[in-house]
Amino acid sequence: QVQLVQSGAEVKKPGSSVKVSCKASGGTFSSYTISWVRQAPGQGLEWMGRIIPILGIANYAQKFQGRVTITADKSTSTAYMELSSLRSEDTAVYYCARWGSGYDLWGQGTLVTVSS
Amino acid sequence: QSVLTQPPSASGTPGQRVTISCSGSSSNIGTNTVNWYQQLPGTAPKLLIYSNNQRPSGVPDRFSGSKSGTSASLAISGLQSEDEADYYCAAWDDSLNGPLFGGGTKLTVL
Repeated sequence: QVQLVQSGAEVKKPGSSVKVSCKASGGTFSSYTISWVRQAPGQGLEWMGRIIPILGIANYAQKFQGRVTITADKSTSTAYMELSSLRSEDTAVYYCARWGSGYDLWGQGTLVTVSS
Repeated sequence: QSVLTQPPSASGTPGQRVTISCSGSSSNIGTNTVNWYQQLPGTAPKLLIYSNNQRPSGVPDRFSGSKSGTSASLAISGLQSEDEADYYCAAWDDSLNGPLFGGGTKLTVL
C-alpha cells in the first residue's frame, strides 16, 4: 500500500528558503498528479501548486508564482516543494497529496516555522 | 473568490443528522465537481466524498454529498462522537486553475 512520507519539521529565518520532500513509499507516483497544500495554524487549506511527475510539468497558484518551485524525481518517486523568501506568514503545515478522484492520499504533513 | 463559503461551526447530538453547506460560484462549484474532506485533530485531511456524492471505499454510508447549482452539502446521519472533526469542501476553480477549498466547518458532537 502506497504511502506519502514527508520530510521532517523545519525552522527557518525570514528571507531564507525551505525545501520539503514527499516520497511515495511502497509504490510509485505512476501517472498521478501530486499537489502541495498548506495549512496555517488554526486556518484552512490552501493549494499551492502541482506537478505531473512522469511529465515533470508543474503549475502554481498565482499567489505563490515566483516563490514556489515544485519538482519531482521519477527514479525515486519523490516530489519536492521549495518556497523562497520566507516570511512569518508562511509558518504552516505543508502537505503533499495525490490526486486520484479527489485528493485520495496525503502525506503526514511537514511543519515549517519561520521565525527570527 | 479566495475560498468557498462554509459555516465556521456546526453541532449535533449522537444519532442526529447534520448538514454542512458549501457555497461557491460559476467558476468552481457551478461547473466542476465537489469533494469533501474530513480532518481529525492533528492529522492530515482524508477524502470523504468525491465527484459530488461518491464515497471512497471504507467511508461509511452515513456520509453523503449533494450539489445543486453553485452550492453543495455534506450530510452526516447517525452522528457519532468520532465524527467530531473539521470538514472542508473543495472544487476546481477555472479562474485559479487549481482547487479551491472552503474555509472549513468545525463539527462538535454534543
